[in-house]
Amino acid sequence: DQQVKQNSPSLSVQEGRISILNCDYTNSMFDYFLWYKKYPAEGPTFLISISSIKDKNEDGRFTVFLNKSAKHLSLHIVPSQPGDSAVYFCAAENSNSGYALNFGKGTSLLVTP
Amino acid sequence: DAGVIQSPRHEVTEMGQEVTLRCKPISGHNSLFWYRQTMMRGLELLIYFNNNVPIDDSGMPEDRFSAKMPNASFSTLKIQPSEPRDSAVYFCASSRQIAAETQYFGPGTRLLVL
Repeated sequence: DQQVKQNSPSLSVQEGRISILNCDYTNSMFDYFLWYKKYPAEGPTFLISISSIKDKNEDGRFTVFLNKSAKHLSLHIVPSQPGDSAVYFCAAENSNSGYALNFGKGTSLLVTP
Repeated sequence: DAGVIQSPRHEVTEMGQEVTLRCKPISGHNSLFWYRQTMMRGLELLIYFNNNVPIDDSGMPEDRFSAKMPNASFSTLKIQPSEPRDSAVYFCASSRQIAAETQYFGPGTRLLVL
């Protein structure tokens, strides 16, 4: 049963514009959320995270927003660059029950010049 | 730091054969995770260890799958006997034993069972 859902398998954005990747979760016990980026033939790499006590976390061009009441988070990339083209995974964990991450299926982002 | 090391990077085997995947976590990390990635199911957690002890193996699909962590610097995931539906990319990840720590992934092993 998929507890973390990324309903858009792919997204195409023009260079310089904003990319918005969405993620929904069903388990209200999740209290920590992460985004990972994955290039072909490589393992996922950590991008940005947010604790459930916050509703926004920003790191350079990347911002993650958390809406706990809607059980929804989003990753904003501004401005988007061709090097951002990758698969983005949303992940969530309940830190009180260990550190196992529940991943979404990923969204493939293509940033076109 | 070398990061998480996995071997082999690619494995092609025939149905019924035993497959052993290997992982060396980042030095100082106390938790180790095995994931499987398929098109149908995305990234699934198979099993994870804390201080070399298996904590949750509920994601291991069948008794054909087993994992060990004999010491802090080495883990194996074994499939015996392998089946074509086991074809996937298997990732190992490690993290420090601190609350809400991020996990660092290895490059993965791409397994093809014919």
